[in-house]
Amino acid sequence: GQNIDQPTEMTATEGAIVQINCTYQTSGFNGLFWYQQHAGEAPTFLSYNVLDGLEEKGRFSSFLSRSKGYSYLLLKELQMKDSASYLCAVREGAGNMLTFGGGTRLMVKP
Amino acid sequence: DSGVTQTPKHLITATGQRVTLRCSPRSGDLSVYWYQQSLDQGLQFLIQYYNGEERAKGNILERFSAQQFPDLHSELNLSSLELGDSALYFCASSVGGTNTIYFGEGSWLTVV
Repeated sequence: GQNIDQPTEMTATEGAIVQINCTYQTSGFNGLFWYQQHAGEAPTFLSYNVLDGLEEKGRFSSFLSRSKGYSYLLLKELQMKDSASYLCAVREGAGNMLTFGGGTRLMVKP
Repeated sequence: DSGVTQTPKHLITATGQRVTLRCSPRSGDLSVYWYQQSLDQGLQFLIQYYNGEERAKGNILERFSAQQFPDLHSELNLSSLELGDSALYFCASSVGGTNTIYFGEGSWLTVV
Protein backbone atom coordinates (compact mmCIF):
# COMPACT_ATOMS: atom_id res chain seq x y z
CA GLY A 1 0.00 0.00 0.00
CA GLN A 2 0.95 3.63 -0.17
CA ASN A 3 0.81 6.70 2.01
CA ILE A 4 0.97 10.01 0.16
CA ASP A 5 1.06 13.30 2.04
CA GLN A 6 0.78 16.82 0.74
CA PRO A 7 -0.35 20.07 2.37
CA THR A 8 -4.08 20.68 2.23
CA GLU A 9 -3.96 24.35 1.29
CA MET A 10 -1.43 26.98 0.24
CA THR A 11 -1.73 30.65 -0.62
CA ALA A 12 0.65 32.63 -2.80
CA THR A 13 0.80 35.97 -4.57
CA GLU A 14 0.48 36.56 -8.28
CA GLY A 15 3.92 36.69 -9.91
CA ALA A 16 5.60 34.80 -7.07
CA ILE A 17 7.02 31.26 -6.85
CA VAL A 18 5.41 28.47 -4.85
CA GLN A 19 6.65 24.98 -4.00
CA ILE A 20 4.18 22.20 -3.25
CA ASN A 21 5.69 19.23 -1.44
CA CYS A 22 4.68 15.59 -1.58
CA THR A 23 6.04 12.74 0.51
CA TYR A 24 5.22 9.12 -0.09
CA GLN A 25 5.86 5.65 1.24
CA THR A 26 5.67 2.77 -1.19
CA SER A 27 7.08 -0.71 -1.56
CA GLY A 28 7.55 -0.68 -5.32
CA PHE A 29 7.95 2.85 -6.63
CA ASN A 30 7.51 3.15 -10.37
CA GLY A 31 6.96 6.82 -11.07
CA LEU A 32 5.45 9.99 -9.64
CA PHE A 33 2.96 12.24 -11.40
CA TRP A 34 1.62 15.72 -10.78
CA TYR A 35 -1.82 16.72 -11.99
CA GLN A 36 -3.68 20.02 -11.86
CA GLN A 37 -7.40 20.01 -11.14
CA HIS A 38 -9.74 22.98 -11.21
CA ALA A 39 -12.86 22.54 -9.11
CA GLY A 40 -15.35 20.20 -10.77
CA GLU A 41 -13.10 19.57 -13.74
CA ALA A 42 -10.88 16.74 -14.93
CA PRO A 43 -7.34 16.40 -13.59
CA THR A 44 -4.84 17.42 -16.27
CA PHE A 45 -1.35 15.99 -16.53
CA LEU A 46 1.51 18.31 -15.55
CA SER A 47 4.64 16.24 -15.06
CA TYR A 48 6.17 12.83 -14.56
CA ASN A 49 9.33 11.81 -12.67
CA VAL A 50 10.76 8.33 -12.42
CA LEU A 51 14.44 9.17 -11.90
CA ASP A 52 15.93 11.49 -9.31
CA GLY A 53 16.28 15.09 -10.31
CA LEU A 54 14.46 18.05 -11.73
CA GLU A 55 12.14 18.04 -14.73
CA GLU A 56 11.38 21.49 -16.13
CA LYS A 57 8.44 22.32 -18.33
CA GLY A 58 7.84 26.02 -18.82
CA ARG A 59 6.68 27.69 -15.63
CA PHE A 60 6.30 24.31 -13.91
CA SER A 61 9.10 22.09 -12.61
CA SER A 62 8.97 18.86 -10.65
CA PHE A 63 11.66 17.30 -8.51
CA LEU A 64 12.05 13.77 -7.22
CA SER A 65 14.23 12.13 -4.59
CA ARG A 66 13.49 8.41 -4.49
CA SER A 67 15.73 7.75 -1.49
CA LYS A 68 13.80 10.31 0.54
CA GLY A 69 10.36 9.48 -0.83
CA TYR A 70 9.95 13.13 -1.68
CA SER A 71 8.83 15.24 -4.58
CA TYR A 72 7.91 18.85 -5.12
CA LEU A 73 6.14 20.84 -7.78
CA LEU A 74 7.50 24.32 -8.37
CA LEU A 75 5.30 26.93 -9.99
CA LYS A 76 6.97 30.13 -11.16
CA GLU A 77 5.51 33.49 -12.21
CA LEU A 78 2.21 32.58 -10.66
CA GLN A 79 -0.94 33.60 -12.49
CA MET A 80 -4.48 33.83 -11.16
CA LYS A 81 -5.46 30.90 -13.37
CA ASP A 82 -3.00 28.72 -11.42
CA SER A 83 -5.49 28.70 -8.55
CA ALA A 84 -6.43 25.02 -8.48
CA SER A 85 -5.76 21.77 -6.67
CA TYR A 86 -2.47 20.04 -7.37
CA LEU A 87 -2.48 16.28 -7.05
CA CYS A 88 0.56 14.14 -6.37
CA ALA A 89 0.15 10.56 -7.58
CA VAL A 90 2.44 7.54 -7.26
CA ARG A 91 2.59 4.51 -9.49
CA GLU A 92 3.58 1.31 -7.73
CA GLY A 93 4.69 -1.96 -9.18
CA ALA A 94 4.30 -3.26 -12.69
CA GLY A 95 0.75 -2.05 -13.18
CA ASN A 96 -0.23 1.46 -14.17
CA MET A 97 -2.63 2.22 -11.36
CA LEU A 98 -2.03 5.62 -9.80
CA THR A 99 -2.65 6.29 -6.14
CA PHE A 100 -3.39 9.94 -5.45
CA GLY A 101 -2.69 12.11 -2.47
CA GLY A 102 -5.47 14.30 -1.13
CA GLY A 103 -4.34 17.25 -3.22
CA THR A 104 -3.11 20.73 -2.34
CA ARG A 105 -5.52 23.58 -2.96
CA LEU A 106 -3.53 26.58 -4.13
CA MET A 107 -5.03 30.04 -3.97
CA VAL A 108 -3.26 32.76 -5.92
CA LYS A 109 -4.02 36.28 -4.72
CA PRO A 110 -3.43 39.56 -6.55
CA ASP B 1 -9.76 18.08 -24.34
CA SER B 2 -8.03 14.86 -23.26
CA GLY B 3 -9.82 12.68 -25.81
CA VAL B 4 -11.52 10.60 -23.12
CA THR B 5 -15.30 10.86 -23.38
CA GLN B 6 -17.70 10.19 -20.55
CA THR B 7 -21.49 10.11 -20.52
CA PRO B 8 -23.69 11.25 -18.95
CA LYS B 9 -22.13 14.45 -17.61
CA HIS B 10 -24.75 14.81 -14.91
CA LEU B 11 -27.13 12.29 -13.39
CA ILE B 12 -29.63 12.57 -10.56
CA THR B 13 -31.23 9.41 -9.25
CA ALA B 14 -32.95 8.05 -6.17
CA THR B 15 -31.59 5.78 -3.48
CA GLY B 16 -31.85 2.11 -4.32
CA GLN B 17 -31.63 2.70 -8.06
CA ARG B 18 -29.03 1.51 -10.54
CA VAL B 19 -27.08 3.61 -13.04
CA THR B 20 -24.53 2.97 -15.77
CA LEU B 21 -21.71 5.36 -16.57
CA ARG B 22 -20.04 5.09 -19.93
CA CYS B 23 -16.50 5.86 -21.03
CA SER B 24 -14.78 5.94 -24.42
CA PRO B 25 -11.00 5.99 -24.10
CA ARG B 26 -8.62 7.97 -26.27
CA SER B 27 -8.05 6.48 -29.68
CA GLY B 28 -5.45 3.74 -29.37
CA ASP B 29 -5.56 3.48 -25.59
CA LEU B 30 -6.02 -0.05 -24.26
CA SER B 31 -6.24 0.68 -20.54
CA VAL B 32 -9.26 2.21 -18.83
CA TYR B 33 -9.43 3.28 -15.20
CA TRP B 34 -12.30 4.38 -13.00
CA TYR B 35 -11.88 6.79 -10.11
CA GLN B 36 -14.35 8.21 -7.61
CA GLN B 37 -14.02 11.70 -6.16
CA SER B 38 -16.37 12.68 -3.38
CA LEU B 39 -16.83 16.29 -2.28
CA ASP B 40 -13.59 17.69 -0.92
CA GLN B 41 -11.92 14.31 -1.15
CA GLY B 42 -9.12 12.90 -3.20
CA LEU B 43 -9.36 10.60 -6.15
CA GLN B 44 -10.07 7.03 -5.09
CA PHE B 45 -9.09 4.29 -7.52
CA LEU B 46 -11.89 1.85 -8.25
CA ILE B 47 -10.82 -0.49 -11.03
CA GLN B 48 -8.64 -0.87 -14.14
CA TYR B 49 -9.16 -2.80 -17.36
CA TYR B 50 -6.62 -3.58 -20.02
CA ASN B 51 -7.76 -4.74 -23.44
CA GLY B 52 -10.96 -6.18 -22.06
CA GLU B 53 -9.59 -7.84 -18.96
CA GLU B 54 -9.61 -6.67 -15.37
CA ARG B 55 -6.08 -5.62 -14.43
CA ALA B 56 -6.31 -4.07 -10.96
CA LYS B 57 -8.97 -3.52 -8.34
CA GLY B 58 -9.08 -0.79 -5.72
CA ASN B 59 -11.65 0.14 -3.13
CA ILE B 60 -14.62 -0.77 -5.28
CA LEU B 61 -17.79 -1.73 -3.47
CA GLU B 62 -19.50 -5.01 -4.25
CA ARG B 63 -22.52 -2.99 -5.42
CA PHE B 64 -20.32 -1.58 -8.18
CA SER B 65 -19.09 -3.43 -11.23
CA ALA B 66 -17.40 -2.56 -14.48
CA GLN B 67 -16.47 -4.06 -17.80
CA GLN B 68 -14.52 -3.19 -20.91
CA PHE B 69 -15.97 -4.18 -24.25
CA PRO B 70 -14.21 -5.40 -27.43
CA ASP B 71 -14.33 -1.88 -28.87
CA LEU B 72 -12.48 -0.80 -25.67
CA HIS B 73 -15.21 1.40 -24.27
CA SER B 74 -16.02 0.76 -20.64
CA GLU B 75 -19.06 0.93 -18.40
CA LEU B 76 -19.27 1.36 -14.64
CA ASN B 77 -22.44 -0.01 -13.10
CA LEU B 78 -23.55 1.31 -9.73
CA SER B 79 -26.45 -0.47 -8.04
CA SER B 80 -28.49 -0.17 -4.83
CA LEU B 81 -27.39 3.43 -4.73
CA GLU B 82 -26.94 5.19 -1.42
CA LEU B 83 -26.66 8.89 -0.60
CA GLY B 84 -22.94 8.43 0.03
CA ASP B 85 -22.40 7.32 -3.56
CA SER B 86 -22.95 10.89 -4.71
CA ALA B 87 -19.64 11.85 -6.28
CA LEU B 88 -17.79 12.73 -9.43
CA TYR B 89 -16.79 9.57 -11.28
CA PHE B 90 -13.82 9.87 -13.58
CA CYS B 91 -12.74 7.57 -16.32
CA ALA B 92 -9.15 7.71 -17.50
CA SER B 93 -7.18 5.91 -20.17
CA SER B 94 -3.62 5.18 -21.19
CA VAL B 95 -1.91 3.42 -24.05
CA GLY B 96 -0.57 0.58 -22.00
CA GLY B 97 0.75 -0.25 -18.60
CA THR B 98 3.42 2.36 -18.13
CA ASN B 99 2.14 5.51 -19.74
CA THR B 100 0.58 8.75 -18.60
CA ILE B 101 -3.06 8.49 -17.65
CA TYR B 102 -5.48 11.01 -19.18
CA PHE B 103 -8.79 11.81 -17.55
CA GLY B 104 -12.24 12.41 -18.95
CA GLU B 105 -14.44 15.28 -17.78
CA GLY B 106 -16.24 13.07 -15.30
CA SER B 107 -19.83 12.11 -14.58
CA TRP B 108 -21.52 13.92 -11.73
CA LEU B 109 -23.79 11.51 -9.84
CA THR B 110 -26.23 12.86 -7.30
CA VAL B 111 -28.25 10.36 -5.27
CA VAL B 112 -31.31 11.83 -3.57
